[in-house]
Amino acid sequence: GAVVSQHPSRVICKSGTSVKIECRSLDFQATTMFWYRQFPKQSLMLMATSNEGSKATYEQGVEKDKFLINHASLTLSTLTVTSAHPEDSSFYICSARGINYGYTFGSGTRLTVV
Amino acid sequence: SQQGEEDPQALSIQEGENATMNCSYKTSINNLQWYRQNSGRGLVHLILIRSNEREKHSGRLRVTLDTSKKSSSLLITASRAADTASYFCATGLTGTASKLTFGTGTRLQVTL
Repeated sequence: GAVVSQHPSRVICKSGTSVKIECRSLDFQATTMFWYRQFPKQSLMLMATSNEGSKATYEQGVEKDKFLINHASLTLSTLTVTSAHPEDSSFYICSARGINYGYTFGSGTRLTVV
Repeated sequence: SQQGEEDPQALSIQEGENATMNCSYKTSINNLQWYRQNSGRGLVHLILIRSNEREKHSGRLRVTLDTSKKSSSLLITASRAADTASYFCATGLTGTASKLTFGTGTRLQVTL
């Protein structure tokens, strides 16, 4: 079956630094990748949609300069949280979709900004 | 927001009992999917039901869809402690390329 690897699973960083999260489709080509944010005991909120080789489409209210998304290849998308603040602490989940492949989710990244 | 509502928000049952979760949504959809999330983990796809389907089964799971009421239900029969997790419905909207919109989720606790 389709597998999506998300790395790291946990990261702690200092305020003001940047953190990069990777999302890889291991056995299929992901034409579209999605990045979600989830607060404790809440649902997933879509942050942005990225198609390989083009700019990401951000949801309303999501700062594109703060959450940089790159989808440079059909198997890799990255989310960089720039100048992180404690309020950016959250659980970030990616999802990948390809031709003949439905939505496959990564295992998530717990970001803590101190 | 297009986000759907799920109820109950939390459900606690004993092993062997059935668990029913409901999902309501706001707009026309192409399909509705149910996902499971263990605490602090990613999502696992459980079942997809298309807008022209009314009921679907997969093992101990039974999903219904009523497009006239814009609602769906997930029934887990003969629950097990390992079913303890959060369950989310997600809708694929008509006319939207491919993004999913998630419901608020139901936290299920199955005790021995």
